[in-house]
Amino acid sequence: GENVEQHPSTLSVQEGDSAVIKCTYSDSASNYFPWYKQELGKGPQLIIDIRSNVGEKKDQRIAVTLNKTAKHFSLHITETQPEDSAVYFCAAIRYSSASKIIFGSGTRLSIRP
Amino acid sequence: DVKVTQSSRYLVKRTGEKVFLECVQDMDHENMFWYRQDPGLGLRLIYFSYDVKMKEKGDIPEGYSVSREKKERFSLILESASTNQTSMYLCASSLNPRETQYFGPGTRLLVL
Repeated sequence: GENVEQHPSTLSVQEGDSAVIKCTYSDSASNYFPWYKQELGKGPQLIIDIRSNVGEKKDQRIAVTLNKTAKHFSLHITETQPEDSAVYFCAAIRYSSASKIIFGSGTRLSIRP
Repeated sequence: DVKVTQSSRYLVKRTGEKVFLECVQDMDHENMFWYRQDPGLGLRLIYFSYDVKMKEKGDIPEGYSVSREKKERFSLILESASTNQTSMYLCASSLNPRETQYFGPGTRLLVL
């Protein structure tokens, strides 16, 4: 079946350094790729998204890149801060059956002071 | 801002009990979803609904049913709770299936 692979499952970076989380999707029909951040005790919240007609999108310290040919997309967080510590999920939505958003398995990001 | 609320944050039930988890959204969204979240498995779709009284099975519907009598409310029902249904349950809604999903805070269910 369709799936989204996410790596790494855990990531620890020094405060101020950059963090990169990568996802690969299998369904070439996917055309919308959101990223969610889940803080402890809360539901996932959308932090950034990208559509297939765009290669990169930035929002302050967060950026997402998409390589449709290789079917992978990445989340980049620069100048990490303690409040960036959370679980991050990537996702891909299949255009042909749009209700079926497929999530990656999550990355637990820890920021070391 | 979109608000998705879930009836309970924590719930403890016994094996065999019937369990109702309720979700309400206030943004007039057509689509609502129920997921369970388990360590290492990410978010798995149980059921979703794209309209009142409409429902479709997700990836893991066994042991669950749903009800959508009103647009703003989507209920998940465990007909006879079992210990392997101990999990975090997340409700979400979206205006369009291809658009952003907004999540509630989750219900952590423990089945003893």
